[in-house]
Amino acid sequence: DVKVTQSSRYLVKRTGEKVFLECVQDMDHENMFWYRQDPGLGLRLIYFSYDVKMKEKGDIPEGYSVSREKKERFSLILESASTNQTSMYLCASSFQGFGQPSTDTQYFGPGTRLTVL
Amino acid sequence: AQKVTQAQTEISVVEKEDVTLDCVYETRDTTYYLFWYKQPPSGELVFLIRRNSFDEQNEISGRYSWNFQKSTSSFNFTITASQVVDSAVYFCALKSILQGAQKLVFGQGTRLTINP
Repeated sequence: DVKVTQSSRYLVKRTGEKVFLECVQDMDHENMFWYRQDPGLGLRLIYFSYDVKMKEKGDIPEGYSVSREKKERFSLILESASTNQTSMYLCASSFQGFGQPSTDTQYFGPGTRLTVL
Repeated sequence: AQKVTQAQTEISVVEKEDVTLDCVYETRDTTYYLFWYKQPPSGELVFLIRRNSFDEQNEISGRYSWNFQKSTSSFNFTITASQVVDSAVYFCALKSILQGAQKLVFGQGTRLTINP
């Protein structure tokens, strides 16, 4: 079974703090993703990575950065947390391949519910 | 632009009723994939199904079935004889091959509550 783990289920931080959210997958997937989930908005892509040290902006990258130093680990960084970044953060991973059943399906971690006070 | 619309924000039914979750999508691409995910109260999104744009066959998996109609750009999900364990938020998602890099576009989600 694909396993995607996230470092914390719940996190409370103060405005201005630097926040690190960690994600690890154990299936040797090339692609990794960070989303945020807000009521009524569904999931929105923040950043994704298709290889070590590679990253691309998603739809809402402002206020975030990412790091992928190892294939299995993808970190989301909030350089200076703000209250509007209070949200549920979901990490996902997938194989690189196109067109093959289940190879490009994204598998998700349990999520981190971040509250910024 | 790609878009997925789940018009039903919340649905509540009594156990054993059948329920259909609607999903309408927009894309200009001819090659794309559609997905359904389930998010139970634990928070983790669970993959349910993936369909490609060339395969309009309906699919059934136990009590779950999916109706894909390109003519109406819809990919609806039906749960037959619903159970309390089906209570969750369900997301429909779209991925276009041409957009590259595996980007998924999600609908807003439908919160399904099955009452005993």
